Amino acid sequence: KQEVTQIPAALSVPEGENLVLNCSFTDSAIYNLQWFRQDPGKGLTSLLLIQSSQREQTSGRLNASLDKSSGRSTLYIAASQPGDSATYLCAVSGYNQGGKLIFGQGTELSVKP
Amino acid sequence: GAVVSQHPSRVICKSGTSVKIECRSLDFQATTMFWYRQFPKQSLMLMATSNEGSKATYEQGVEKDKFLINHASLTLSTLTVTSAHPEDSSFYICSARSDRNQPQHFGDGTRLSIL
Repeated sequence: KQEVTQIPAALSVPEGENLVLNCSFTDSAIYNLQWFRQDPGKGLTSLLLIQSSQREQTSGRLNASLDKSSGRSTLYIAASQPGDSATYLCAVSGYNQGGKLIFGQGTELSVKP
Repeated sequence: GAVVSQHPSRVICKSGTSVKIECRSLDFQATTMFWYRQFPKQSLMLMATSNEGSKATYEQGVEKDKFLINHASLTLSTLTVTSAHPEDSSFYICSARSDRNQPQHFGDGTRLSIL
C-alpha cells in the first residue's frame, strides 16, 4: 500500500526566506510525482510534475526534486512571498495503485510580510 | 495550460434532494476523470475513477448507488449525489488527465451543504 507523508504539517516563515517542503512515499514503483498548491476553499493548482525517470523540475522560484530509490521528494521555494501562503500537497501516481494519485496530508505554509 | 471547469461551485439544498456536479475538460481530451472528497483540514480522498465510456470504479467504502458517476464523453463527467443528507456535506473536487504519464488537472471544487 502506498503511503505519502509530508513534513512539516505547518510552516511559518518571514517574507524573503528560502524554504523546503518534504514528501516521502513508501512504494517506489511510480509513474510520476506531482506537487500542488491549494488555497482555502479552492481546488488544486498543479505546480510541478516529475516523471519517474527525472530527478528534478523547475518553474520560476520553485524547484522540485525526486529521489525514487529513497522514496523522497522536496519542493524548494526561493525568496518566499506572502502570496505563496497556501497548503502544498504532494501526490504520487503509482503502478501498483493503477495510476491513481495518492496524496500526502499537505504542508500549510504561511509567509509573513 | 490545461483547464478543468467544475460546476456549480456551491450548492445549498434540503435533505433528500439529488445534486448533480459537472466536470469538464476545456482544452484536452480526458480519457480518465477522478472524483475526490475533502473534509476540512484534511487531504483529498479518492471516491472513484471513471474512464470514458466505461463504468466508474469506486474506492472501498464509497456507495456507488449513492454517488452516481457518468463519463459519457471525453470532456464531461458528472457526479450525482442521490438523496443527499447532511453527512454528505463536503467539498467535492474533480480532476482529469489525458493519459497516465500526464498530470492530473483539477477543477475548483464544489462546496455541497445539505440542510
